[in-house]
Amino acid sequence: AQSVAQPEDQVNVAEGNPLTVKCTYSVSGNPYLFWYVQYPNRGLQFLLKYITGDNLVKGSYGFEAEFNKSQTSFHLKKPSALVSDSALYFCAVRRDNDMRFGAGTRLTVKP
Amino acid sequence: KAGVTQTPRYLIKTRGQQVTLSCSPISGHRSVSWYQQTPGQGLQFLFEYFSETQRNKGNFPGRFSGRQFSNSRSEMNVSTLELGDSALYLCASSLLASGYSYEQYFGPGTRLTVT
Repeated sequence: AQSVAQPEDQVNVAEGNPLTVKCTYSVSGNPYLFWYVQYPNRGLQFLLKYITGDNLVKGSYGFEAEFNKSQTSFHLKKPSALVSDSALYFCAVRRDNDMRFGAGTRLTVKP
Repeated sequence: KAGVTQTPRYLIKTRGQQVTLSCSPISGHRSVSWYQQTPGQGLQFLFEYFSETQRNKGNFPGRFSGRQFSNSRSEMNVSTLELGDSALYLCASSLLASGYSYEQYFGPGTRLTVT
């Protein structure tokens, strides 16, 4: 069975610093990988996805993610964090009909 | 394009009752998925519908059921409500063609409280 792990419940960074939110996955074959963000009292919003090709994927709001097949990771990154990036971030993996989400990582960006 | 809409946004029910939640996908999207989100269990997959057929089902009891109509709108029903069913129920829609690479677009959710 496939699974996805977000090893950090909470990530704190200072505004202007780079941020990384980690995600690792376990799935056979070639999965599709996604990042979503959830702001308070809202549904999830799509940020970016990896299907195939270039390992570095660029998405919305300046976010990017790096796919690493050997480490089965798909970490979310941003060069310079904003206070408005504070939210709950979910990594997801899809293989055929099966879609799984990580437990989420709460990102707090402090001024 | 209008986003995914869910009704109602908030709902309070008592144990033993049943509830029906509604979801209207983005125009042109044919796949609708439902998720339950709770602080303790995170985001858990309930089921996915495509062209009025259930394609996949998560590990939930039979009290949870759903359906999809010919216009792609979907409903989910929970019967004999339990306190543990209190959660945010999210609906997501996506295009679904030859693969599963399409991202999902989520509605704002229905907050169900069971007392």
